Amino acid sequence: NAGVTQTPKFRVLKTGQSMTLLCAQDMNHEYMYWYRQDPGMGLRLIHYSVGEGTTAKGEVPDGYNVSRLKKQNFLLGLESAAPSQTSVYFCASSYPLGLAEEETQYFGPGTRLLVL
Amino acid sequence: AQTVTQSQPEMSVQEAETVTLSCTYDTSESDYYLFWYKQPPSRQMILVIRQEAYKQQNATENRFSVNFQKAAKSFSLKISDSQLGDAAMYFCAYRSTGNQFYFGTGTSLTVIP
Repeated sequence: NAGVTQTPKFRVLKTGQSMTLLCAQDMNHEYMYWYRQDPGMGLRLIHYSVGEGTTAKGEVPDGYNVSRLKKQNFLLGLESAAPSQTSVYFCASSYPLGLAEEETQYFGPGTRLLVL
Repeated sequence: AQTVTQSQPEMSVQEAETVTLSCTYDTSESDYYLFWYKQPPSRQMILVIRQEAYKQQNATENRFSVNFQKAAKSFSLKISDSQLGDAAMYFCAYRSTGNQFYFGTGTSLTVIP
């Protein structure tokens, strides 16, 4: 039982390059989330998904796209990276409220992205 | 949208002493969940404690307890008998009935030996 895993752990991009961050969870959670963490700003929600094939925008969605083709995977894409996207990215997953007794999120270890 | 405010960017405590971290939130919902997460230098987010809004009793997990004041929309974390391993960034979080989570900006806790 690996929980939530993220790939890669660290990446350096040049401005304008594209990349995809992969999140995988083996807890059969319906909900998955992508956050970015910047100094002094806590965690901000980028996009989330309430089930396979669904996605929704969070607080800071611009410049990112996501896909949830399989229940266990949630992909975050940067089509044209910008220095403002330098951050630490966290994936998380959870059960829906009312479906299970656990109502918290489980987090991956984070991906540190540097855009030059 | 809900907002979560942590007004203490940094706190320090002597080892074995008690410290309280503050959190306030703004919501119009009556049913929700509140959490405290710990983030050590490893960056892993670790759940410390959770509280259901419909429960009046304050949650407790070993040395960690909360003071939940629903009317005041306040959710503080008390760490008793502080240990060196408690040094970390602490985030307060709110889960809405819409299943989104909202986080505060964090409080960096230093434990002084």
